[in-house]
Amino acid sequence: SQTIHQWPATLVQPVGSPLSLECTVEGTSNPNLYWYRQAAGRGLQLLFYSVGIGQISSEVPQNLSASRPQDRQFILSSKKLLLSDSGFYLCGAVRDVDYGYTFGSGTRLTVV
Amino acid sequence: KNEVEQSPQNLTAQEGEFITINCSYSVGISALHWLQQHPGGGIVSLFMLSSGKKKHGRLIATINIQEKHSSLHITASHPRDSAVYICAVRGSGGSNYKLTFGKGTLLTVNP
Repeated sequence: SQTIHQWPATLVQPVGSPLSLECTVEGTSNPNLYWYRQAAGRGLQLLFYSVGIGQISSEVPQNLSASRPQDRQFILSSKKLLLSDSGFYLCGAVRDVDYGYTFGSGTRLTVV
Repeated sequence: KNEVEQSPQNLTAQEGEFITINCSYSVGISALHWLQQHPGGGIVSLFMLSSGKKKHGRLIATINIQEKHSSLHITASHPRDSAVYICAVRGSGGSNYKLTFGKGTLLTVNP
């Protein structure tokens, strides 16, 4: 079965600092991968998704970028964090819809 | 207006009560998911539905495609059921399997 490792669990970063959140998937190959963000009081919003290595689709314009250097590795980055980047970031994966989705444990980012 | 609406936003129950959480959506879908998010933030997939009804232990999920509505029921609720329950839908087109999420229902079950 699919397992997602996501780290760190919590992160406090100053405004203007860089960001790198990593997500790795085990137990499957060639999954679709997703980065979601949950701002306070709001539902999960899709930020990026990837259907293969090097293939990134962005859902909303923002200060963040994503990369997929390996089949089971998905990275969320920023060169300079903004206060509005604070939130809960969640990585998700699906190999085949018949097998359902798997989610990581999330990263709570606070930009100060 | 959100494509996925959940009700209620907050729900407090006494242990043993029967719980219902509702989800309505406005777009054509190929599947609907019920997810559980615990206080630490991690999300677990409970059900994936495209029609009818599914049951797992004390949890039951139903969907009515014509009415664009789904319900999650918890029988004999227990304090450990306290969590945020999230409804998410997958659109009917494409192969990117993107989900659109409701805002969630915060359930608190008191002993």
